[in-house]
Amino acid sequence: QSALTQPASVSGSPGQSITISCTGTSSDVGGYNYVSWYQQHPGKAPKLMIYEVSNRPSGVPDRFSGSKSGNTASLTISGLQAEDEADYYCSSYTSSSTLCYVFGTGTKVTVL
Amino acid sequence: QVQLVQSGAEVKKPGASVKVSCKASGYTFTSYYMHWVRQAPGQGLEWMGIINPSGGSTSYAQKFQGRVTMTRDTSTSTVYMELSSLRSEDTAVYYCARDRGVVTAIGAFDIWGQGTMVTVSS
Repeated sequence: QSALTQPASVSGSPGQSITISCTGTSSDVGGYNYVSWYQQHPGKAPKLMIYEVSNRPSGVPDRFSGSKSGNTASLTISGLQAEDEADYYCSSYTSSSTLCYVFGTGTKVTVL
Repeated sequence: QVQLVQSGAEVKKPGASVKVSCKASGYTFTSYYMHWVRQAPGQGLEWMGIINPSGGSTSYAQKFQGRVTMTRDTSTSTVYMELSSLRSEDTAVYYCARDRGVVTAIGAFDIWGQGTMVTVSS
C-alpha cells in the first residue's frame, strides 16, 4: 500500500483560492467517505481541518472546504491568508490488507 | 479541556525497545479509539495502528507487525505504544491521536498529543 498522492507544493497570493488534490484508488479514497485533511505548522502536531470528505470541525474557518470525485479528494482554501502557510496531509481509510489508514505524501502551501 | 499528554523524549540504542505513553483527559476514555502516527525528520505522516480503549483490541500496520504493541490502562486513561528491535529508521516523532468517531472509528484524528521524539542511535 503506497501513500496517497499529493502535489509537493502549491502556492497562492493572499485572497486567492488554491486546491490541493489527493489521489488514491478504489480501495481507499474512491471506496469510502472516510477522507480527512490535516494542517501542520513546523514543529507542531497536525490539526484536523476536514473529516468524512467535507465536514468541518468546529473552529475551522469556512474558508476550508473538502470534496471528492472518484479516486481523488480535494481540499480548497478560499481567501488565502498568511497563517494558512503550512503542510497539508490527506488521509483515508483503506481496505488494504496491510493497514487500515493511509496518509498522503503531503503538500507544502506557500502564501506569496 | 480535552487533551492528550505524552511522555518525554527518548534516546535508544539499535535493538532496544521504547514504550511511549499517552494520557487522556477531559473526555470518556473508553468511548474513542486511539491511533498512533509517526513522522520521521523532514518526512510525512505514517499510520502505525489503532487501539480500542474499551476492549483493548488492536490493529497494526503490517509494516510494524511483530514489533509494535499497543495497550491501555483504563484506570489511568492511558494508552501505550511499545516498539521493539529499534533501528535508526525508527527515529521519529511519535504521536497519539484520538479518533473523532464515538464508539466507532472514522479515521478522523481530532485530538493529538504533543508528540514524543524517539532517537535511535548507537
